[in-house]
Amino acid sequence: QQQVKQSPQSLIVQKGGISIINCAYENTAFDYFPWYQQFPGKGPALLIAIRPDVSEKKEGRFTISFNKSAKQFSLHIMDSQPGDSATYFCAASNNQAGTALIFGKGTTLSVSS
Amino acid sequence: GAGVSQSPRYKVAKRGQDVALRCDPISGHVSLFWYQQALGQGPEFLTYFQNEAQLDKSGLPSDRFFAERPEGSVSTLKIQRTQQEDSAVYLCASSQGLMDEKLFFGSGTQLSVL
Repeated sequence: QQQVKQSPQSLIVQKGGISIINCAYENTAFDYFPWYQQFPGKGPALLIAIRPDVSEKKEGRFTISFNKSAKQFSLHIMDSQPGDSATYFCAASNNQAGTALIFGKGTTLSVSS
Repeated sequence: GAGVSQSPRYKVAKRGQDVALRCDPISGHVSLFWYQQALGQGPEFLTYFQNEAQLDKSGLPSDRFFAERPEGSVSTLKIQRTQQEDSAVYLCASSQGLMDEKLFFGSGTQLSVL
């Protein structure tokens, strides 16, 4: 059973547009929801993260929207740039219980100039 | 060092060979994680260390996989009698505290088993 489901698998956005990536999770005990960005040949790097006590978190052009009742969260990239072209992973964990991060399968974003 | 360092960067092994993958975490980081990333997939958890103690090895796919962190810093992931299905990128990550928030990943070791 896939605990974190991510969509779409790939996404093409024009420069200046909004990129939206969605994730759904099953385990209601999850209490930490990060997004990671990965460039080819590199390890994932933490982009932004949210806890379930807030519905939205914004850092620069990146925003996480969180819907606890629907068990869904999404990443919005405003004013998308070619440099944002990468693979994005959502993840979740139960930090109270000290469980490791479970990652989604990833979304490959291409921002065309 | 400035980041998490993994070596070798690439490893080609014949089926049946043993391999050892090294991870140098960020100095002072308490927690260390190993993940396996198959081509086109997300990282999958293998094992977790808190200092030298291996607290969770539930993700290791078989008893051919073994990890250690004897002095609470450098860690080694060993795979015995490699199989083709072991081909993947093996990622190491460390974090400052006891929980895995703010994981810092290395660039990984790409293992190809022929």
